[in-house]
Amino acid sequence: QTVVTQEPSFSVSPGGTVTLTCGLSSGSVSTNYYPSWYQQTPGQAPRTLIYNTNTRSSGVPDRFSGSILGNKAALTITGAQADDACDYYCVLYMGSGISVFGGGTKLTVL
Amino acid sequence: QVQLVQSGAEVKKPGSSVKVSCKASGGPFSSYAINWVRQAPGHGLEWMGGIIPVLGSAIYAQKFEDRLTITADESTTTAYMELSSLRSEDTAVYYCARESNIAWYFDYWGQGTLVTVSS
Repeated sequence: QTVVTQEPSFSVSPGGTVTLTCGLSSGSVSTNYYPSWYQQTPGQAPRTLIYNTNTRSSGVPDRFSGSILGNKAALTITGAQADDACDYYCVLYMGSGISVFGGGTKLTVL
Repeated sequence: QVQLVQSGAEVKKPGSSVKVSCKASGGPFSSYAINWVRQAPGHGLEWMGGIIPVLGSAIYAQKFEDRLTITADESTTTAYMELSSLRSEDTAVYYCARESNIAWYFDYWGQGTLVTVSS
């Protein structure tokens, strides 16, 4: 069974830069998995940040960027702000209509 | 602007079934996949399955294959998620999400429906 891995938690200082990653329990993540990233604050539906590895969704500030770093997908936040503190999820498309979420990363800004 | 509006919260007994609806408006319906994602309290998001209404056949995560049914009604632009044999671990917020026709990602989300399974 495919497991998508994310750091359970991460901390960044206000104004700092942080890179969250999204990997596979077996194998490497490539653009062929169409990595996407979602931001979720407590009690709210997820918000789409990045799709197709590195395309920002409408209205998403350019301090959010996506990439492939080594064998993982990555979400980089530059100039972190207090309201960036929430949960971030990646999704990998496995083909045949199947998507798999990573376990999520809880980001703290302090 | 595409909107997905889900039905209201449900409380169910263990062993029963629940059916949650997701009404789409503001954009085309039939050719876009509607997916279902759930989130148990304090846990992460979990993809359950999806359907492309014009095709009618659904695809399910292996974990839910034996008790999940996803359907769609093109005439009312509404998708449905029915989960049977409910147990306490199914207590969660259930989201519908439209899948974009490019790049396999979820571009619009419903507001979520809380399903509580309790005796």
